[in-house]
Amino acid sequence: DTEVTQTPKHLVMGMTNKKSLKCEQHMGHRAMYWYKQKAKKPPELMFVYSYEKLSINESVPSRFSPECPNSSLLNLHLHALQPEDSALYLCASSPSRTSLVNTEAFFGQGTRLTVV
Amino acid sequence: DAKTTQPTSMDCAEGRAANLPCNHSTISGNEYVYWYRQIHSQGPQYIIHGLKNNETNEMASLIITEDRKSSTLILPHATLRDTAVYYCIVRPHSGGGADGLTFGKGTHLIIQP
Repeated sequence: DTEVTQTPKHLVMGMTNKKSLKCEQHMGHRAMYWYKQKAKKPPELMFVYSYEKLSINESVPSRFSPECPNSSLLNLHLHALQPEDSALYLCASSPSRTSLVNTEAFFGQGTRLTVV
Repeated sequence: DAKTTQPTSMDCAEGRAANLPCNHSTISGNEYVYWYRQIHSQGPQYIIHGLKNNETNEMASLIITEDRKSSTLILPHATLRDTAVYYCIVRPHSGGGADGLTFGKGTHLIIQP
C-alpha cells in the first residue's frame, strides 16, 4: 500500500465553522506534512511532523491547528477561517528524518477547501 | 536548499521525447536533484532523483551535467497523460523529505496530440 488517503475530497465551510481534514498512510512513514496550494501556484509547506511530534511550523496562523494522534494519522483542525484560506490542502508522508534509503515523499490527492 | 530555474511552459508532441531542463547553479556537494510532477487537481508525484550520475527508472531518465549546475528530465515517449507541472527540487538527501519540499514554479508541460 503506497497511498496517502485524504478525507474529505471537497469541503465547504463558513467562517464561523469548525472542521477537520484527515490524512492516513500505512507505509510505516514517520514524517508527515501539510501543504497548502492556491490556484496556479506551487504547494507551500505548512507543517512537518516527525515521529508524531511537530518539528516545523512555517508561521501558519493559529486558525490552522495540526494534530498527529499516531504514526498513521494526521489531522488539520480548522476554525474561524477566512475566504482567502480557500485552497487545496495536501498531505504527504515520507520515511523518517534519519532514513538513509530513498526518501521520496508520497502525496495524497488533497482536500479542496472553500471558505464562504 | 539551492534555488532552481525552470522554463514556465513547454510543448511536446505525443510519442516524442520530452526534455525538461533545470538550472541549479548554486547546488552544493551534498544536495540531490529531485523531480516531481503534478497532474491537474492531483497531488504531486515523485518521478526520480539523482546526485551526479545519470539515473533511469520506469518513468523517466535524469541527466545531470558534470559540474552539476544543471539537469534534464527526459520522458522518452510522452503521452497525453504526461501533461502536468514538473518541479525540479534540489535538497540534501539525508533527512530527505523529512524537512519538507520547497517547490518552485515548475514547468507546465503540455503534450500535443
